[in-house]
Amino acid sequence: RKEVEQDPGPFNVPEGATVAFNCTYSNSASQSFFWYRQDCRKEPKLLMSVYSSGNEDGRFTAQLNRASQYISLLIRDSKLSDSATYLCVVRFTGGGNKLTFGTGTQLKVEL
Amino acid sequence: DAMVIQNPRYQVTQFGKPVTLSCSQTLNHNVMYWYQQKSSQAPKLLFHYYDKDFNNEADTPDNFQSRRPNTSFCFLDIRSPGLGDAAMYLCATSVRPGQESYEQYFGPGTRLTVT
Repeated sequence: RKEVEQDPGPFNVPEGATVAFNCTYSNSASQSFFWYRQDCRKEPKLLMSVYSSGNEDGRFTAQLNRASQYISLLIRDSKLSDSATYLCVVRFTGGGNKLTFGTGTQLKVEL
Repeated sequence: DAMVIQNPRYQVTQFGKPVTLSCSQTLNHNVMYWYQQKSSQAPKLLFHYYDKDFNNEADTPDNFQSRRPNTSFCFLDIRSPGLGDAAMYLCATSVRPGQESYEQYFGPGTRLTVT
C-alpha cells in the first residue's frame, strides 16, 4: 500500500462546477498535511496547508479526517485556470523534515 | 522577491558524461532538498541538507551526489548519467523544523535529457 494515495483522474468538469478530491494516508501518526498544485512541466506550488479544524481559502476548502486518515480538497466555482495536477502531501511523525507526496489528481476544467 | 532559483532550466547531457545542476535561494531557509520527478510520478526525494548536515535517502543511487557550500547554494552532481536519469530535478527549501511549519518551496526545476 502506498503511503499517500490519490485517484489519478483525470477529473473533467465544466467551468463553474464544484469538484472534490480525496487522499488517504497510511501512517496514523502523520502530523502535517498540505495540498500542492502542479501545472504541466512546472514545479509544485503550495496551495494550502490542511489544519485539523479544516480551513478555507477563497474557493478552496481543505478538510482533515484523522480517524479515517484522509484529506480532502474542495474547489467551488471551478475556473479554466484551475486545470492542473493536485498533489496531496503528508509529513509523517519521525520523518523529520521530509514530506511524502502522492502521485497527484489531474483536474481538467472545460468550457 | 525571495525565491528559489535553478539553473539551467533545461540540460542535455550525453550518456555517462558528468553533469551538475545548481540551486540557489534567497529565502535564507535552513533546509534544502533535491527531488527527482518523472512523468506522471510523485516527486522522489533524493537527499536533503539540514544546514550543513547531509541526509541521503536509502534508495538514492551512488551516482547522485550533492554539495552545499553555503546557506544559499546547493548542487546536484550526477556522476555518470544513464538514460533512466532523464527527469525533472526539483530543488526545494524549508525553514528549520519547529519554526512555523514544514512547508516546502520549490524552484522551477531543471529538465534533464540524456542522449
